[in-house]
Amino acid sequence: QVQLVQSGAEVKKPGASMKVSCKASGYTLTNYGVNWVRQAPGQGLEWMGWISPYNGNTNYAQKLHGRVTMTTDTSTNTAYMELRSLRSDDTAVYYCARGKQLYDAFDIWGQGTMVTVSS
Amino acid sequence: EIVLTQSPGTVSLSPGERATLSCRASQSVSSSYLVWYQQKPGQAPRLLIYGASSRATGIPDRFTGSGSGTDFTLTISRLEPEDFAVYYCQQFGRTFGQGTKLEIK
Repeated sequence: QVQLVQSGAEVKKPGASMKVSCKASGYTLTNYGVNWVRQAPGQGLEWMGWISPYNGNTNYAQKLHGRVTMTTDTSTNTAYMELRSLRSDDTAVYYCARGKQLYDAFDIWGQGTMVTVSS
Repeated sequence: EIVLTQSPGTVSLSPGERATLSCRASQSVSSSYLVWYQQKPGQAPRLLIYGASSRATGIPDRFTGSGSGTDFTLTISRLEPEDFAVYYCQQFGRTFGQGTKLEIK
């Protein structure tokens, strides 16, 4: 069964960093890109960026440039998203989602990881 | 940056009725990269339509996507109880519309 399983909920202080994992099963990570999307409470979806596990190429949303880093570990079929210098408006559910190439539709989604940023 | 505007923001309909959801782009978008998702409360989004009009695997044929250029439409021909959700359009694997909430009347 093709699925993406994400790490659990986190609570962070402002200024701290977060790192969410996304483990792929049922397919080989390097055959598809991984997107990260977040959703603030009661709000819509915001694309954060994309990584190719095949060659490590990334494409980040301009808004997050300098604060976000996406990586993959092909030995464990896992993708990671790190966000630094957290602010209260980073409080959101973070999703990973599979997309064949940059610009392609996201056909498989992780279950989401709630990250709360609060002092 | 292309902005996607969805309308209406909320629509109230009854099961069995037809729903027409609109997604308008601030500039022309390639149909190949216009996508629709469905999201239910507490769940991750689910891919419905890709390439503006192709149904994803397992999506019932009551869901139809259409449009080109700057105007795209998602039509649900006969609403089932499980169709009441929020629907998002997306272009080029990045920008999302703000969503349309389809609620039971």
